[in-house]
Amino acid sequence: SQTIHQWPATLVQPVGSPLSLECTVEGTSNPNLYWYRQAAGRGLQLLFYSVGIGQISSEVPQNLSASRPQDRQFILSSKKLLLSDSGFYLCAWKLAGGTEAFFGQGTRLTVV
Amino acid sequence: RKEVEQDPGPFNVPEGATVAFNCTYSNSASQSFFWYRQDCRKEPKLLMSVYSSGNEDGRFTAQLNRASQYISLLIRDSKLSDSATYLCVLLSNAGNMLTFGGGTRLMVKP
Repeated sequence: SQTIHQWPATLVQPVGSPLSLECTVEGTSNPNLYWYRQAAGRGLQLLFYSVGIGQISSEVPQNLSASRPQDRQFILSSKKLLLSDSGFYLCAWKLAGGTEAFFGQGTRLTVV
Repeated sequence: RKEVEQDPGPFNVPEGATVAFNCTYSNSASQSFFWYRQDCRKEPKLLMSVYSSGNEDGRFTAQLNRASQYISLLIRDSKLSDSATYLCVLLSNAGNMLTFGGGTRLMVKP
């Protein structure tokens, strides 16, 4: 069966520090991968999605970047965090050509 | 205009009530539609897909109106455990992009 792992669960980082969040999927090949952010009390904002290794589509211009170095690995990064980067970051996957998306448990990031 | 719009609520209803949520979308090329449920501080999980002919899963009924570009979710005989945020989701862009609405919060009271 397929599983998605996202870590860490919580993170407190100072303004200006770098960020690296990792997401891996097991039990499937060539999945579509997604990074979303959810601010407190708000909806999910699509940040990046990827349909294959090295293929990244960015939906919102900001100081975040994403990479997909391996088929089932999706990384969200920032060189310098801003206070406004605080939020609940969710990684998701779905089968290419499929419809249902499955989410990781999320990372709650607080930038102080 | 947002691509997917939902009334944020909250909808406060007593146990046993029937409640309905609507969601409007602007992208007429949207291919598939879903309702997800998100509990507080948890990840979203698929509740049900929405089919053109309408579909039912137990106490939940989903409908799609492509002409008016909205989908709906009806919950009958509400339970306390139905309290959550309900997210409307569209699949588009050749089946690659999932766009979420802001969610509608439901609170079922005893």
